[in-house]
Amino acid sequence: AQKITQTQPGMFVQEKEAVTLDCTYDTSDQSYGLFWYKQPSSGEMIFLIYQGSYDEQNATEGRYSLNFQKARKSANLVISASQLGDSAMYFCAMRETDAGGTSYGKLTFGQGTILTVHP
Amino acid sequence: EAQVTQNPRYLITVTGKKLTVTCSQNMNHEYMSWYRQDPGLGLRQIYYSMNVEVTDKGDVPEGYKVSRKEKRNFPLILESPSPNQTSLYFCASSLWGGGTTNQPQHFGDGTRLSIL
Repeated sequence: AQKITQTQPGMFVQEKEAVTLDCTYDTSDQSYGLFWYKQPSSGEMIFLIYQGSYDEQNATEGRYSLNFQKARKSANLVISASQLGDSAMYFCAMRETDAGGTSYGKLTFGQGTILTVHP
Repeated sequence: EAQVTQNPRYLITVTGKKLTVTCSQNMNHEYMSWYRQDPGLGLRQIYYSMNVEVTDKGDVPEGYKVSRKEKRNFPLILESPSPNQTSLYFCASSLWGGGTTNQPQHFGDGTRLSIL
């Protein structure tokens, strides 16, 4: 079963508009972490934002915010005021405990969403 | 500068010829991990290490070995590479991995391997 699902292979947005990238996850852990990373065409992985499963407020980092709906197991990334430089692949990832339930070593990524920002 | 360094960045080699991709971090991180990235599949975890001499399998460990003899280094070894291991590989580290979920991974720039 897919642990992290990103259902949008590609998204388009007009510059200066907001865009939401979807992410749903599957875990039986009570404690877990959710991350979003950006991968530009140059290939590097850039950390954007983190949400803990016990965090009561949605995470925000500048123009990035995370719409966390725990009951629905979704962690959508919202980018406000899109810029041309936001064009990239975006990955949702989840950190959960290992099989022994003692450490948070396993990190699972979704398939990614390619975002294209039009001028 | 805080960074994760992978070498080589690019490698074309032949089936069966043992190779090692090195990974080094200068941030005194306890946790290190290897991923492979394939189109349509995202990043998949190969192995991870919670600390020196502590390693564990990720989701796709077959055909790979790792070792963690020192805190800063976490090499990925392909004993007998095969064409299905052609991929983009990333090494990553974070401050720690045990008991907390909130440490983001710092990634290296990637190693593109082609196995002919």
